[in-house]
Amino acid sequence: ILNVEQSPQSLHVQEGDSTNFTCSFPSSNFYALHWYRWETAKSPEALFVMTLNGDEKKKGRISATLNTKEGYSYLYIKGSQPEDSATYLCAAGRRALTFGSGTRLQVQP
Amino acid sequence: DAGVIQSPRHEVTEMGQEVTLRCKPISGHDYLFWYRQTMMRGLELLIYFNNNVPIDDSGMPEDRFSAKMPNASFSTLKIQPSEPRDSAVYFCASSLLATGGDEQYFGPGTRLTVT
Repeated sequence: ILNVEQSPQSLHVQEGDSTNFTCSFPSSNFYALHWYRWETAKSPEALFVMTLNGDEKKKGRISATLNTKEGYSYLYIKGSQPEDSATYLCAAGRRALTFGSGTRLQVQP
Repeated sequence: DAGVIQSPRHEVTEMGQEVTLRCKPISGHDYLFWYRQTMMRGLELLIYFNNNVPIDDSGMPEDRFSAKMPNASFSTLKIQPSEPRDSAVYFCASSLLATGGDEQYFGPGTRLTVT
């Protein structure tokens, strides 16, 4: 079981603010890093899966970077909107993913 | 595709009763995962299957838990006998052959309450 940590635990921002959060994981034996978006009363939905050091992926206003040598990934949201309010989970592993505890984002209109 | 289907969506049972949770993965997906989500421990993997074969069940809490996948389109997670501490949301997820770590598609979950 890997040790996957996320920070901060929660974040409150105003609509239009840009924000970012961190996921750290063991750099040894790295295989893949996943980001999921989890809205209340729904199920987690995949945002990105990254495997290569230096990888950067983007989906609309959301992007993520990966540093496998130092064991961290950043998720960025540009110009946050109220509909971005959710818990953002990262997970590391090959098949058996270990999930972090998530960053709960609240965007105030 | 309808996505991953789980049933029931909610289950309330008394301590000591047998509980069976069901999952239908996305057609064509090779991997099926069972997760449990609790406030204390977050989202944790219980077991996963590849081509209907259990690969890693190290997350299964104890012998009261068992999982089967009799065919590519159906899996069950059984708790017998159930205890109040088993109360949680149980998610099933599926994915394709993950050469680069394919994303997992989650079902809506089953909220289990054991009284």
